[in-house]
Amino acid sequence: DQQVKQNSPSLSVQEGRISILNCDYTNSMFDYFLWYKKYPAEGPTFLISISSIKDKNEDGRFTVFLNKSAKHLSLHIVPSQPGDSAVYFCAASAGRGHGGTSYGKLTFGQGTILTVHP
Amino acid sequence: GAGVSQSPSNKVTEKGKDVELRCDPISGHTALYWYRQSLGQGLEFLIYFQGNSAPDKSGLPSDRFSAERTGGSVSTLTIQRTQQEDSAVYLCASSLLAGTSYEQYFGPGTRLTVT
Repeated sequence: DQQVKQNSPSLSVQEGRISILNCDYTNSMFDYFLWYKKYPAEGPTFLISISSIKDKNEDGRFTVFLNKSAKHLSLHIVPSQPGDSAVYFCAASAGRGHGGTSYGKLTFGQGTILTVHP
Repeated sequence: GAGVSQSPSNKVTEKGKDVELRCDPISGHTALYWYRQSLGQGLEFLIYFQGNSAPDKSGLPSDRFSAERTGGSVSTLTIQRTQQEDSAVYLCASSLLAGTSYEQYFGPGTRLTVT
């Protein structure tokens, strides 16, 4: 049961253009969403997050949009740079506002390989 | 300061053997998580520690998998009688405290191959 899905295994974008990575989720209990970036042979690194009380969060070139009714979020990178080429994982948590033993546990999507061409 | 480290970086083992994977979290981080990434899949939660106790073991796939954490620091993930489906990258993460308000910092992972 894949609760977080990234349906595009890969995305190719020209340098300077916008990259849009998409993520869908099924669990209504998720109330916090994160994007991680992963280079080969390294662990994922945190990029940006958004709480379910917001619909947009921006940090420099990175913006995450959340559509709760559609259970969909997206990561926009603009302008895209060759150094952004990596695997991007969407993750979700039901930790905020919930107690219990799953606090902090992240559920990840399968990842999307982004390639930014010079 | 030092990040999360994991050892070994690569492990090849024969089916049926036991393996131990080690995680050294960032000093002072009380929460520690184990995930694994199988080929073509996302990261799958295995277990999390708060201090030395494991409040959530729900992701361990079978009773062949166990983990412990001692001294609130180093953690080992043990897989007994390895099977080919155990082949994956095993990732460890730590955070200052448990909870989504606290960023999880990941180690580089251990790539386990069961032949």
